[in-house]
Amino acid sequence: GQQVMQIPQYQHVQEGEDFTTYCNSSTTLSNIQWYKQRPGGHPVFLIQLVKSGEVKKQKRLTFQFGEAKKNSSLHITATQTTDVGTYFCAGRRTTDSWGKLQFGAGTQVVVTP
Amino acid sequence: KAGVTQTPRYLIKTRGQQVTLSCSPISGHRSVSWYQQTPGQGLQFLFEYFSETQRNKGNFPGRFSGRQFSNSRSEMNVSTLELGDSALYLCASKHEGGMNTEAFFGQGTRLTVV
Repeated sequence: GQQVMQIPQYQHVQEGEDFTTYCNSSTTLSNIQWYKQRPGGHPVFLIQLVKSGEVKKQKRLTFQFGEAKKNSSLHITATQTTDVGTYFCAGRRTTDSWGKLQFGAGTQVVVTP
Repeated sequence: KAGVTQTPRYLIKTRGQQVTLSCSPISGHRSVSWYQQTPGQGLQFLFEYFSETQRNKGNFPGRFSGRQFSNSRSEMNVSTLELGDSALYLCASKHEGGMNTEAFFGQGTRLTVV
């Protein structure tokens, strides 16, 4: 089963609005990565968070890693049509060996002009 | 620098057949991971190879196997195909098997089992 849970599964957003997608793990993660997959495309790396409580920004995107390193969030402000796609978080559990990334099921984002 | 290359891009097979998918990682990358993507299930980890050795394995039946060659190219094989094996199979390469490196994905192979 899915070790890393993402909510919501679907997100319909009006252009210009903000939204947040959440990622939760039942176990402590050594790091969390975020990927974006455009329709018909493949996942593309966005960012990696490593430290407890870390916050990183990429233009309109803000990524946060929880203090307990079990959850993360991606907040997008002023959504644009180019934000359409599925956003995946992926974490590596501290108990897992290198290489094994656990992906969430993704949040599919649809933007209405 | 060329990206991750997967072949073939599309494949249609019949139940009971077997299939081999290929992945050429980015030059210099020694880690190759395979994922199965189906609607609603996200990316399910199949296995990871590093320097020709399988280092991690997901929860898939033994019908799913893989290998990596000395040039880091990897293949995955699915035997006795079932309808439920229809999916997009993605491979991803990383520069090293380290903990803090991003994965570069290929375009995937879309497998349809009929």
